[in-house]
Amino acid sequence: GIQVEQSPPDLILQEGANSTLRCNFSDSVNNLQWFHQNPWGQLINLFYIPSGTKQNGRLSATTVATERYSLLYISSSQTTDSGVYFCAVEPLTQGGSEKLVFGKGTKLTVNP
Amino acid sequence: KAGVTQTPRYLIKTRGQQVTLSCSPISGHRSVSWYQQTPGQGLQFLFEYFSETQRNKGNFPGRFSGRQFSNSRSEMNVSTLELGDSALYLCASSLVGSPSSYNSPLHFGNGTRLTVT
Repeated sequence: GIQVEQSPPDLILQEGANSTLRCNFSDSVNNLQWFHQNPWGQLINLFYIPSGTKQNGRLSATTVATERYSLLYISSSQTTDSGVYFCAVEPLTQGGSEKLVFGKGTKLTVNP
Repeated sequence: KAGVTQTPRYLIKTRGQQVTLSCSPISGHRSVSWYQQTPGQGLQFLFEYFSETQRNKGNFPGRFSGRQFSNSRSEMNVSTLELGDSALYLCASSLVGSPSSYNSPLHFGNGTRLTVT
């Protein structure tokens, strides 16, 4: 099946710093989504981004589907940005057992 | 608009018992999916329902089952619980047009944390 690799696995920042999270995937995809899981376990959809660039406040994302990667940019980080960021892809070819395949996540800690 | 609602939030069961989890999707969303999250395996797809029909199923044993009702609400059931079934179970809903793709963002509920002792 498709492989989804996220880097870095862990990231510690000071409040106000910028960061870039990367997601590589091994095969063609229908779409790609970025999620933030807060310390209470809730998964929040940040971006639905099969290709191109989107921005939402301090966050932006870029997916280059032909090169099989996506980047999530966080600018002027805040302590509330802490949590785990997941990239998830929907394989183009589905055998039924893979719907949305998640990476292992990047754990972000933003210190005050 | 209310988000995805899952009940209960926490559940403690004993090995061998069965459990039923409930999910109400965002109003207007007809696709409901279930995912299991564990520290070791991460987030894994269980199954997806659309218009009361299971359209996709992940690699889980037959002890895991689900259904969707005419109002799009969904339930999943796990029978003969094992210790390894302890996990956070997440339900997600989306608007969907194509039968083979999430063509819109997936929105998750707060999850049900199941502990099997």
